[in-house]
Amino acid sequence: DQQVKQNSPSLSVQEGRISILNCDYTNSMFDYFLWYKKYPAEGPTFLISISSIKDKNEDGRFTVFLNKSAKHLSLHIVPSQPGDSAVYFCAAAANAGGTSYGKLTFGQGTILTVHP
Amino acid sequence: DGGITQSPKYLFRKEGQNVTLSCEQNLNHDAMYWYRQDPGQGLRLIYYSQIVNDFQKGDIAEGYSVSREKKESFPLTVTSAQKNPTAFYLCASSRRLAGVTEQFFGPGTRLTVL
Repeated sequence: DQQVKQNSPSLSVQEGRISILNCDYTNSMFDYFLWYKKYPAEGPTFLISISSIKDKNEDGRFTVFLNKSAKHLSLHIVPSQPGDSAVYFCAAAANAGGTSYGKLTFGQGTILTVHP
Repeated sequence: DGGITQSPKYLFRKEGQNVTLSCEQNLNHDAMYWYRQDPGQGLRLIYYSQIVNDFQKGDIAEGYSVSREKKESFPLTVTSAQKNPTAFYLCASSRRLAGVTEQFFGPGTRLTVL
């Protein structure tokens, strides 16, 4: 049972335009969400996170939006740059701030290609 | 420089052999994790450890074993019982025991079983 889903395996955008990566989840206990970026043959690196008490978090060119009622989050990259080309994973966790150890459930990933 | 190291980067083994993947961190993190990545399946949790001498099974622990004798080290053994061991293995660590904080990942080890 895939609790975190990234339904678009790939996305292609032009340099300078907006990239929108989507993620859906089914577990209503998830209350903390993260986005990671991964280059081939490397480990993922943390990009941005959002708690369920917020609906938006912004860090430079990266903004994450959370729609709790739809169980949907998205990552916006504006403007997109060729160096943003990578695989993007969303991840979710339940009971943030509680006694959980921080287990993350990952989506399948979306390959983003930004063309010059 | 603080970080997570995994060695080796590429590993080849014959079918039926056990193999141990190394993971070391100097971030003073309490929690450590092992994931495997397969094409189109994202990252799946194999084992995790919250503290020295303690570890728990993740979602796909069958055919794997771990130890946590030191805070800095969390080696993963892929045993001959693991049916599909060829994959990209990622080790991660995080700062706190309780609650959610970001996990920091190592560079990964690609294991190929021939």
